[in-house]
Amino acid sequence: NAGVTQTPKFQVLKTGQSMTLQCAQDMNHEYMSWYRQDPGMGLRLIHYSVGAGITDQGEVPNGYNVSRSTTEDFPLRLLSAAPSQTSVYFCASSLSGYQETQYFGPGTRLLVL
Amino acid sequence: AQSVSQHNHHVILSEAASLELGCNYSYGGTVNLFWYVQYPGQHLQLLLKYFSGDPLVKGIKGFEAEFIKSKFSFNLRKPSVQWSDTAEYFCAVRGGGGNKLTFGTGTQLKVEL
Repeated sequence: NAGVTQTPKFQVLKTGQSMTLQCAQDMNHEYMSWYRQDPGMGLRLIHYSVGAGITDQGEVPNGYNVSRSTTEDFPLRLLSAAPSQTSVYFCASSLSGYQETQYFGPGTRLLVL
Repeated sequence: AQSVSQHNHHVILSEAASLELGCNYSYGGTVNLFWYVQYPGQHLQLLLKYFSGDPLVKGIKGFEAEFIKSKFSFNLRKPSVQWSDTAEYFCAVRGGGGNKLTFGTGTQLKVEL
């Protein structure tokens, strides 16, 4: 198993540009989520999905869109990037159910100029 | 809503010193508790977790944590730290039957030789 993979590892955008951060897992996990990590703020949940076709907002969803057309993939879209979205983005997945551990991807470092 | 507090933001220790990192959470119901570690330049890895049963949980690399329900605490301990323990440590809580994790702001640990 490759686990949770994320691409790209690093990206520089100009304000107003759009891009998609990719996340994939090969563990047949139902639950997937996106976090952003900022200094002194820990990890904050952006969006999550409990299964294909089902998504919901987390703590900081503004400026981000997600979709879940397959179990394996959970892309995060920035439609019009802003400097406030400069951050490190982590994707995570887990089996469905309450007592399951989330596994994290390696992260995408995004710089918006 | 659930929340997590990590009171120590930066900790500096000498090798072989004992470590205790504080974590307090606020949630009135049943919780799952986690400690994750992020080594420099790497993604989050699970150190240990508490779901139920023995409140003293042992994890990888000699770490342990004790769940004290009456204090809403889940402090991380290690009797003798090593230089390789230099990393950022995150406490996380999941409550309410859902799958969403709430993270603390993290504790940066530096172990000096």
